[in-house]
Amino acid sequence: EVQLLESGGGLVQPGGSLRLPCAASGFTFSAYAMSWVRQAPGKGLEWVSTVTGSGGSTYYADSVKGRFTISRDNSKNTLYLQMNSLRAEDTAVYYCAKGTAAPGTFDYWGQGTLVTVSS
Amino acid sequence: EIVLTQSPATLSLSPGERATLSCRASQTVSSYLAWYQQKPGQAPRLLIYDTSNRATGIPARFSGSGSGTDFTLTISSLEPEDFAVYYCQQRSNWPPLTFGGGTKVEIK
Repeated sequence: EVQLLESGGGLVQPGGSLRLPCAASGFTFSAYAMSWVRQAPGKGLEWVSTVTGSGGSTYYADSVKGRFTISRDNSKNTLYLQMNSLRAEDTAVYYCAKGTAAPGTFDYWGQGTLVTVSS
Repeated sequence: EIVLTQSPATLSLSPGERATLSCRASQTVSSYLAWYQQKPGQAPRLLIYDTSNRATGIPARFSGSGSGTDFTLTISSLEPEDFAVYYCQQRSNWPPLTFGGGTKVEIK
């Protein structure tokens, strides 16, 4: 059974940093791209970032480029999102999501972790 | 960036009725369109990928159609558990991957 478990969310001040891990199990982690998708309170879904299975390529939404870094440790079956220079508009539930064999579709999602940026 | 516009924003129907949800892309996405279902307090769930392929475990009452810029998700006969928000998403030309704004299917 595929499981994705995010953690690391919480309250952070504007300009602060946070690192979100996502622990994966139930599939060959290194074989699939992984992504982060966020959802602001009461709003729709917004893609944040994707990393390929090897970790060799990364992709970012313009809204987070230069501030967020996606990475993965295939030896630990864990995906990460390092978030720096956080802004109020980054407040959202952050989901990690597993890609399918065809990149860009998400077939399994974690339960999400809430990040609140506020003073 | 490809913009996806979903309509209607809200669909009010009764159990047993047919639901038809629309997703229009600002430019062609070929067949690279997916649909997700999200219930309150839960993560999204993949329903349909690449326009018309049902994901694992998705009931046959869910079907997808379309091509190019116009796509439809049809729920043939609404079950009580189908009342939720539905999002379309394209993977044709990325980054960025983009989602539509969602359609809420509510009980009439």
